[in-house]
Amino acid sequence: ETGVTQTPRHLVMGMTNKKSLKCEQHLGHNAMYWYKQSAKKPLELMFVYSLEERVENNSVPSRFSPECPNSSHLFLHLHTLQPEDSALYLCASSLTGVGTEAFFGQGTRLTVV
Amino acid sequence: LAKTTQPISMDSYEGQEVNITCSHNNIATNDYITWYQQFPSQGPRFIIQGYKTKVTNEVASLFIPADRKSSTLSLPRVSLSDTAVYYCLVGARSNDYKLSFGAGTTVTVRA
Repeated sequence: ETGVTQTPRHLVMGMTNKKSLKCEQHLGHNAMYWYKQSAKKPLELMFVYSLEERVENNSVPSRFSPECPNSSHLFLHLHTLQPEDSALYLCASSLTGVGTEAFFGQGTRLTVV
Repeated sequence: LAKTTQPISMDSYEGQEVNITCSHNNIATNDYITWYQQFPSQGPRFIIQGYKTKVTNEVASLFIPADRKSSTLSLPRVSLSDTAVYYCLVGARSNDYKLSFGAGTTVTVRA
């Protein structure tokens, strides 16, 4: 248990569906992150929020839409995904930035059919 | 964010010590060096962090030379369960949010 909780753990969705991934932390951290990890590939940093403000957006397709309503919650809204978007999506949080310990959730295994 | 370079893979046997060196030639004064471990289908987990000299905890040791342009993660007496990907990250504790993981070093421990 890392203190970062992701739901759902598994998700299967069609290409025309809309779904959302949720991440929650009550560690008092100010920074939250979304990552994508495809099979046997490195982690790809997607979005970063600091104090509810987006500070990093790494050329992610618009079919992925993040939302950070407060410093404890982070969402990733998904719509019209492609099969190649199937991957493990990980959420993380840290007190401030890179130089502070990051805690990761268990991830959401997403399959797009 | 200082770029890091580390070996792609390393093989070892149970009971041996594993040392992984990470190069970060452009490390800045405010940067800390942090190592993470990742098992398949899980998120990375913090192992150890240091700024200079040597840091030791119950899991590993981190050696940082005076010029801080490299660092070495030392895993004593590895077991099969230490087979994982190990990442070296360098960054500051404030206003530095590009928490990017490279390819890391895949350590395989054999019986």
